[in-house]
Amino acid sequence: GQQLNQSPQSMFIQEGEDVSMNCTSSSIFNTWLWYKQDPGEGPVLLIALYKAGELTSNGRLTAQFGITRKDSFLNISASIPSDVGIYFCAGQETSGSRLTFGEGTQLTVNP
Amino acid sequence: NAGVTQTPKFQVLKTGQSMTLQCAQDMNHNSMYWYRQDPGMGLRLIYYSASEGTTDKGEVPNGYNVSRLNKREFSLRLESAAPSQTSVYFCASSPHQTGGYTFGSGTRLTVV
Repeated sequence: GQQLNQSPQSMFIQEGEDVSMNCTSSSIFNTWLWYKQDPGEGPVLLIALYKAGELTSNGRLTAQFGITRKDSFLNISASIPSDVGIYFCAGQETSGSRLTFGEGTQLTVNP
Repeated sequence: NAGVTQTPKFQVLKTGQSMTLQCAQDMNHNSMYWYRQDPGMGLRLIYYSASEGTTDKGEVPNGYNVSRLNKREFSLRLESAAPSQTSVYFCASSPHQTGGYTFGSGTRLTVV
């Protein structure tokens, strides 16, 4: 099946630092989504991207839909302890197809 | 609050026992999904239901069965639990097979 490569697998940063993570695919996607999973909870949708080149922000989070449509990026500015969790990318190849999830980036923020 | 409700939240089973994980959504979504999450392996799709009355296998269906009881409810059954089925199970739903999924808070299952 379709594979999404998400990197890095884990990050350990200090509070206040900026964070970047990305996902790449061997296929073209029409939709990219970013989710966050808090410890002990289910993933929650953060940002949805529907157009190549699109740049969308949600507070301190900014995500971009890559121009090639094969990648997406998530940036978190000025990290805080509550940013801790697992961040998942997800992509959809065509309208009506199921989402494919990346393996997640585990983020740890040290106060 | 509207969303996806999973029961139970925690369960310990002995090898060979059976159980059913329940999932219900109140958002009038057509599609529902069951995932398992293991350390370092992300989310793996077990079964899904594109619409009421249909179910299909995902990546890792072996050892599981599902029932789409009605539009709201989608249950996952383990007929004979094995230690390899120790995992966190998430149910999710979406309006159709498009856009964002809404996830439940998970069922943490341990098989001893």
